[in-house]
Amino acid sequence: AQSVTQLDSHVSVSEGTPVLLRCNYSSSYSPSLFWYVQHPNKGLQLLLKYTSAATLVKGINGFEAEFKKSETSFHLTKPSAHMSDAAEYFCVVSDKKGGGNKLTFGTGTQLKVEL
Amino acid sequence: ETGVTQSPTHLIKTRGQQVTLRCSSQSGHNTVSWYQQALGQGPQFIFQYYREEENGRGNFPPRFSGLQFPNYSSELNVNALELDDSALYLCASSLFQAGAYEQYFGPGTRLTVT
Repeated sequence: AQSVTQLDSHVSVSEGTPVLLRCNYSSSYSPSLFWYVQHPNKGLQLLLKYTSAATLVKGINGFEAEFKKSETSFHLTKPSAHMSDAAEYFCVVSDKKGGGNKLTFGTGTQLKVEL
Repeated sequence: ETGVTQSPTHLIKTRGQQVTLRCSSQSGHNTVSWYQQALGQGPQFIFQYYREEENGRGNFPPRFSGLQFPNYSSELNVNALELDDSALYLCASSLFQAGAYEQYFGPGTRLTVT
């Protein structure tokens, strides 16, 4: 079974400083990986996806993630945090076995952005 | 392009009752998945429907059941509600085809069981 581990449950940064949210994955074959963001009382929004093409993936709102097979990691970064980035972030792996797919979510990282 | 919509937004039920939640998929999508998100946790996969048939199921008991209609909309039914069923229920739609399987989520239905 595939899984993801988000290494930090809470991350706090100052506005204008870099953001790093860490994720490690476990997969028996080449995975599809995603980052989703969830603002309070909102649904989930897709930030970016990795699907075995370029290992550096750019997403919305200035976020990007790098797939590193040797480290089984898919960390999310942003050069400069904005107050509006404060939210819950989920690292997600897709299990495509059987033709359909289910998403397996990490436990989430709560990002706090301070002035 | 219409996004994923869910109804109702909030719902309060009593233990032992039954509930039906509804989801309309994004235009052009033919697959619907349902997830349960308990407070403070990541979403957990319940099941997926493609062409009106169940196409994968997570670790949920049979009292969680679903339907997909010809227009690709979907229902989630939960019988014999338990207190632990209190959660945010998320519907996600996607296009069943080779390649990436990103899913697009609706705003969710907040179910409270008392």
